[in-house]
Amino acid sequence: QQQVKQSPQSLIVQKGGISIINCAYENTAFDYFPWYQQFPGKGPALLIAIRPDVSEKKEGRFTISFNKSAKQFSLHIMDSQPGDSATYFCAASGQGASGSRLTFGEGTQLTVNP
Amino acid sequence: GAVVSQHPSRVICKSGTSVKIECRSLDFQATTMFWYRQFPKQSLMLMATSNEGSKATYEQGVEKDKFLINHASLTLSTLTVTSAHPEDSSFYICSAKTGSIPEAFFGQGTRLTVV
Repeated sequence: QQQVKQSPQSLIVQKGGISIINCAYENTAFDYFPWYQQFPGKGPALLIAIRPDVSEKKEGRFTISFNKSAKQFSLHIMDSQPGDSATYFCAASGQGASGSRLTFGEGTQLTVNP
Repeated sequence: GAVVSQHPSRVICKSGTSVKIECRSLDFQATTMFWYRQFPKQSLMLMATSNEGSKATYEQGVEKDKFLINHASLTLSTLTVTSAHPEDSSFYICSAKTGSIPEAFFGQGTRLTVV
């Protein structure tokens, strides 16, 4: 019940295209859903996050869509650029026994071709 | 976002020696810090959670006597890998958060190589 399932494992997109990464969770106690971007040899960087009281959040070219009833959320990268090539992780956290720890998805390696 | 500084970024040590990794929150008080281990092309694996002034809580399967965590102040946590062996070679990452605010910020990571 603590798992967060992420897909696809890898994604190749042409420059200017839309990258879409999906995540699904089971634990209804989760109430915070961040996305992290990680470049090789670096720590993850917080990209954008959403709470379940909204269905969408947009920051620049990055949008999170959230479907509470389906327990799914996704990251959309508009106008994808070669500089967006990185590994993306979705995560979730909430109250309860697990406290504030983040549960991570398996990661998606995004490649944006020029 | 908030800044978390992790040092060193790379370290090579001999088998049997110990190595200490520092994690500092530069512009906020880190009431909770997390230590992760990451293998190539895999997700982050939580090793332990530490609250300032308290003993760390280790995840199942993580040897607390091998991976010593100290969180003595609101800006500093350390991970000491004791009696390191080649199988301890990995990428170690810390993250920090403050109070009940859910955002967690990560350090740059430390590449540990045990030879």
